[in-house]
Amino acid sequence: GAVVSQHPSWVICKSGTSVKIECRSLDFQATTMFWYRQFPKQSLMLMATSNEGSKATYEQGVEKDKFLINHASLTLSTLTVTSAHPEDSSFYICSARVGRVGIGETQYFGPGTRLLVL
Amino acid sequence: GNSVTQMEGPVTLSEEAFLTINCTYTATGYPSLFWYVQYPGEGLQLLLKATKADDKGSNKGFEATYRKETTSFHLEKGSVQVSDSAVYFCVLPGGSYIPTFGRGTSLIVHP
Repeated sequence: GAVVSQHPSWVICKSGTSVKIECRSLDFQATTMFWYRQFPKQSLMLMATSNEGSKATYEQGVEKDKFLINHASLTLSTLTVTSAHPEDSSFYICSARVGRVGIGETQYFGPGTRLLVL
Repeated sequence: GNSVTQMEGPVTLSEEAFLTINCTYTATGYPSLFWYVQYPGEGLQLLLKATKADDKGSNKGFEATYRKETTSFHLEKGSVQVSDSAVYFCVLPGGSYIPTFGRGTSLIVHP
């Protein structure tokens, strides 16, 4: 199946610094990628939909200036957590969609990035 | 709008026991349905899928049948192993390209 990678897999940073997380589709092109946040023992919370060549669509309650998303190419989307604070500590997961809605659509997930802000 | 309802966990079983994790959905039309598995500390992996009514998805001994009449997609396995301990998500690819997740069901298998 299709492979999605994330880098880094984990990161520890000081409060106030910015952290960039990369999401790559390794063997396919993805016009749409999704960014999720997952708290311990909870389901995934969709943060934003990343569209190649256009601005990301953020879910209600997600700060655009806090979580910057760039979908620079058909195989790369980045999430930058700006001026990170301890409450931003979480597990961030990206996914890429293959196929068209209703016609063989499947989502493939990255392995996740664990962020710890001290 | 679309929604997915999963049974609440955790589900605790002994090795070789039979597993059922219930999933029901509401949606417009007849979308594809998916089960994903998340092992501790990892991302989500596609476990199986069904693209139309009456389809049966299967993988690694797990099965789920897309039942239109009951709007269900229950996950089953005849004999679970300790290595199956994980969180299982029922997922509905929603309209406007936004997927809908179930809450996740934690499975704990004891030797």
